[in-house]
Amino acid sequence: DGGITQSPKYLFRKEGQNVTLSCEQNLNHDAMYWYRQDPGQGLRLIYYSQIVNDFQKGDIAEGYSVSREKKESFPLTVTSAQKNPTAFYLCASSIPGGQAGSPLHFGNGTRLTVT
Amino acid sequence: KQEVTQIPAALSVPEGENLVLNCSFTDSAIYNLQWFRQDPGKGLTSLLLIQSSQREQTSGRLNASLDKSSGRSTLYIAASQPGDSATYLCAVCTQGGSEKLVFGKGTKLTVNP
Repeated sequence: DGGITQSPKYLFRKEGQNVTLSCEQNLNHDAMYWYRQDPGQGLRLIYYSQIVNDFQKGDIAEGYSVSREKKESFPLTVTSAQKNPTAFYLCASSIPGGQAGSPLHFGNGTRLTVT
Repeated sequence: KQEVTQIPAALSVPEGENLVLNCSFTDSAIYNLQWFRQDPGKGLTSLLLIQSSQREQTSGRLNASLDKSSGRSTLYIAASQPGDSATYLCAVCTQGGSEKLVFGKGTKLTVNP
């Protein structure tokens, strides 16, 4: 079945450590996204990529980095510069824009806890 | 700046009831509006997408309407079931492509048997 796989489901790290969250999709979608979800807040866009080897900052990119070396993969690194990294992270993909929008497909998320 | 509001934040209804969830947005220049469902600890599942030129979309017991001029959308759920219990989020796209989706905070729905 086609879908988006995020791993791990739960991740624990010590403050000051960088950590990389995995996102893989087999939907053949060109566009991929990373969102952050905090209690009581809507989803906020961290980074997005419309095509391989290209990506753009979203609304809250500070303290995060991404790469898009393969169409299927869009890993997110949470660096030590991110002030409040504890959150639920969601990866999504879609057919790219220019078609008046298409539904986003989401993974099941990674819950990151930094202590 | 686009802002999306969903009221109420939580809703509890008995099984079998028809219900309406509301979504409002401040900038009517949208390309589309999407409704999602989120179960606890899970990702979002796309329910319906309404293009700006459309007035409504239907899928099974779900019907979503869009009134761009008033900045409103509603999600109608017919004959609610306990399995419908989840958080429902709406999101609007204000330029071509999903990268500029702005999400509401969601309405948490509980359907009691």
